[in-house]
Amino acid sequence: AQTVTQSQPEMSVQEAETVTLSCTYDTSESDYYLFWYKQPPSRQMILVIRQEAYKQQNATENRFSVNFQKAAKSFSLKISDSQLGDAAMYFCAYRSRPGGGADGLTFGKGTHLIIQP
Amino acid sequence: GAVVSQHPSWVICKSGTSVKIECRSLDFQATTMFWYRQFPKQSLMLMATSNEGSKATYEQGVEKDKFLINHASLTLSTLTVTSAHPEDSSFYICSAVRYRDNSPLHFGNGTRLTVT
Repeated sequence: AQTVTQSQPEMSVQEAETVTLSCTYDTSESDYYLFWYKQPPSRQMILVIRQEAYKQQNATENRFSVNFQKAAKSFSLKISDSQLGDAAMYFCAYRSRPGGGADGLTFGKGTHLIIQP
Repeated sequence: GAVVSQHPSWVICKSGTSVKIECRSLDFQATTMFWYRQFPKQSLMLMATSNEGSKATYEQGVEKDKFLINHASLTLSTLTVTSAHPEDSSFYICSAVRYRDNSPLHFGNGTRLTVT
């Protein structure tokens, strides 16, 4: 079974600064997906960014980028130019690359991101 | 595109009654849907995988007789909490995989269940 570990229960950053959220995972599989989801107080799950394990290039989405280290099984999220709207719970998640799309996500425990104005 | 609608958004019921939660994919076909449970200030825990036209697959420790799942069509899965008790109070979220698109999971807005 796969596990996902987020070692930072809470992080705080000044508005406009950069923050990095860490995530490590454990798996014996060679091909899989990794995600970062944002959950604001509304509790809606919002996909921030995703990475396919077979791709060496780190994914980026505007101010959000990842540092994917496959050998180290590390998948950190960097948020640049932090904005007040970035405040939320952030979950790192793992998904196998199944043949039939059957596997659900395994989530880490989450990191509560606070943005200081 | 890829909208998932979950209904109701919140529900209060009395102990011993049953509650049905619906998860619909509005603009795509979803052969697989997933049901998660989230306690306050905790992460999402996968409860079961719902496959259209077949029995759901439950995660270890989830009572299949208490949490009935039906996936009768390519756009609808339902979760019924039977004989609800206060300890079943939680936030339930569904997600769906677009047919032939393995990667992204699209989430519903969740249902807050309170059992009194």
